[in-house]
Amino acid sequence: KQEVTQIPAALSVPEGENLVLNCSFTDSAIYNLQWFRQDPGKGLTSLLLIQSSQREQTSGRLNASLDKSSGRSTLYIAASQPGDSATYLCAAPAGETSGSRLTFGEGTQLTVNP
Amino acid sequence: GAVVSQHPSRVICKSGTSVKIECRSLDFQATTMFWYRQFPKKSLMLMATSNEGSKATYEQGVEKDKFLINHASLTLSTLTVTSAHPEDSSFYICSARSGGLYNQETQYFGPGTRLLVL
Repeated sequence: KQEVTQIPAALSVPEGENLVLNCSFTDSAIYNLQWFRQDPGKGLTSLLLIQSSQREQTSGRLNASLDKSSGRSTLYIAASQPGDSATYLCAAPAGETSGSRLTFGEGTQLTVNP
Repeated sequence: GAVVSQHPSRVICKSGTSVKIECRSLDFQATTMFWYRQFPKKSLMLMATSNEGSKATYEQGVEKDKFLINHASLTLSTLTVTSAHPEDSSFYICSARSGGLYNQETQYFGPGTRLLVL
């Protein structure tokens, strides 16, 4: 059974700081991993999808890395802005042969202070 | 990207009534849809997976008679919470994906439905 853990649970930083969010997963036989953003009371916005053959993906100020062998992924946010304040969720498939049923971590609640 | 809508966005109902939530894929055909539940400050928990034209597959611990799922077309899935009770109050989110069960395409998520049972 896939288990996904995110550290830290909450993070508060001043505007402009670079930061790293961590995600670990127990079943490394995954074909991709996703990072999502969730604003309070809202649905999910997909940020980055990393295929198992890739080591990282970049979108603007966001960079996500994937290390299957160690069961870890990181989301790097450069030059953080108050608008980045949200909960960031990491999700991994529940094993390679389980279709795309996703297992989510509990998220990191990010606050960027102006 | 693909768009998934949910209706209603919020619903308040009395205990004992049934509530239906719709999930629609607006610009693609969703062979597979997923229903998640999220408690405050918690992550999403998968409730069930539905494939168009067949019965939904429920996760362990989810009552299929309590949470009725119908995926009657390639663009619509519905979740009906039957005889709702206060403990059913939660945020329900659907996602949709084209392709079959083992297709590795990404899921697109709806905006969620907030259910409050009084």
